[in-house]
Amino acid sequence: QQQVKQSPQSLIVQKGGISIINCAYENTAFDYFPWYQQFPGKGPALLIAIRPDVSEKKEGRFTISFNKSAKQFSLHIMDSQPGDSATYFCAARVPGNNRKLIWGLGTSLAVNP
Amino acid sequence: GAVVSQHPSWVICKSGTSVKIECRSLDFQATTMFWYRQFPKQSLMLMATSNEGSKATYEQGVEKDKFLINHASLTLSTLTVTSAHPEDSSFYICSARKTSSNEQFFGPGTRLTVL
Repeated sequence: QQQVKQSPQSLIVQKGGISIINCAYENTAFDYFPWYQQFPGKGPALLIAIRPDVSEKKEGRFTISFNKSAKQFSLHIMDSQPGDSATYFCAARVPGNNRKLIWGLGTSLAVNP
Repeated sequence: GAVVSQHPSWVICKSGTSVKIECRSLDFQATTMFWYRQFPKQSLMLMATSNEGSKATYEQGVEKDKFLINHASLTLSTLTVTSAHPEDSSFYICSARKTSSNEQFFGPGTRLTVL
């Protein structure tokens, strides 16, 4: 019940295309859903995040769509660029004092020029 | 703001020695810090949650006597890998949560190689 399932494992997109990464969860108590971007040899960096009472959040080319009833959320990267090539992780936060994150397994995105 | 640093960025040590990794929040106070390890092409695995002034909470399967965590101040947490072995070689990443925030800010990671 603590798992977050992420798909696809890898994704290849042409420059200018839309990249879509999906995540699903079981625990309805999760209260915060961030997406992180990680480049090789670096720590993850927060890209965008959403709370379960919002169905969509957009920041620049990045959009999170959240479906509470289906317990799914997705990241859309519009006008994908080669510089977006990285590994993307979705996560879900466990409420409580420590608020630890449960992580998806990651999606390796390659944007071809 | 919200910068987290780690030191060292990489370290090579001999089997049996101990290695200390520092995690600092440079421009904010962090009540809670998290320590992760990450193997190549894998996700982050939470090792422990560290709260300032109290004992760390370790995840199931993580040996607390092997991975010593100290969170002595609101800006510094340390992870000591004791009696390191080659299987401890990994990328160790810390994150820090602002006292009044929901967000975790991540350090750049430390690459540990045990020979």
